[in-house]
Amino acid sequence: EPEVTQTPSHQVTQMGQEVILRCVPISNHLYFYWYRQILGQKVEFLVSFYNNEISEKSEIFDDQFSVERPDGSNFTLKIRSTKLEDSAMYFCASHLVETQYFGPGTRLLVL
Amino acid sequence: AQSVSQHNHHVILSEAASLELGCNYSYGGTVNLFWYVQYPGQHLQLLLKYFSGDPLVKGIKGFEAEFIKSKFSFNLRKPSVQWSDTAEYFCAVNGGGSSNTGKLIFGQGTTLQVKP
Repeated sequence: EPEVTQTPSHQVTQMGQEVILRCVPISNHLYFYWYRQILGQKVEFLVSFYNNEISEKSEIFDDQFSVERPDGSNFTLKIRSTKLEDSAMYFCASHLVETQYFGPGTRLLVL
Repeated sequence: AQSVSQHNHHVILSEAASLELGCNYSYGGTVNLFWYVQYPGQHLQLLLKYFSGDPLVKGIKGFEAEFIKSKFSFNLRKPSVQWSDTAEYFCAVNGGGSSNTGKLIFGQGTTLQVKP
């Protein structure tokens, strides 16, 4: 069964550094998402992406965040200058019709 | 405001006990409702979903959920849990209809621990 994959599984970075989280959605899916879960808190929506543009973003998704689908298969989330509060599990998801399929997540730790 | 509330944060059951996890939502308009499960060390997996039609939906592994529109609820049930059901369970909602972006709003999750 096709799966959403994410790399890396864990990333440790220094505050102020840029990080890029990578996702490979299921190949025929058209809608892509990033969510995050801070330890002990809810899974929160960050951004949705369709037809090569952002379709919706949350208040969390400020100018420090960007998304890209550079080559038709990868879907990336970039954080330009990480903050301590960006430490979280980041999940990518994709769907074709209505049901979202999630990747295993990237655990980001900002020191 | 759009929100999902799961009443039980941590549930401990013995094997063969019946399970009911509560989920209430606040969302204007048509909704799609989901239960996802996250087994230890694994990613979120879809248990079941409700879009329309029969409000009693059956999912994988013997789980079912009932959509009660008047109560804004979508509770998850299983008649007899197994040790392998130990996991975290998330209720989620998004808007139905073609204009919706699909953004999921999650509850805070319920940790289920099943004792053998």
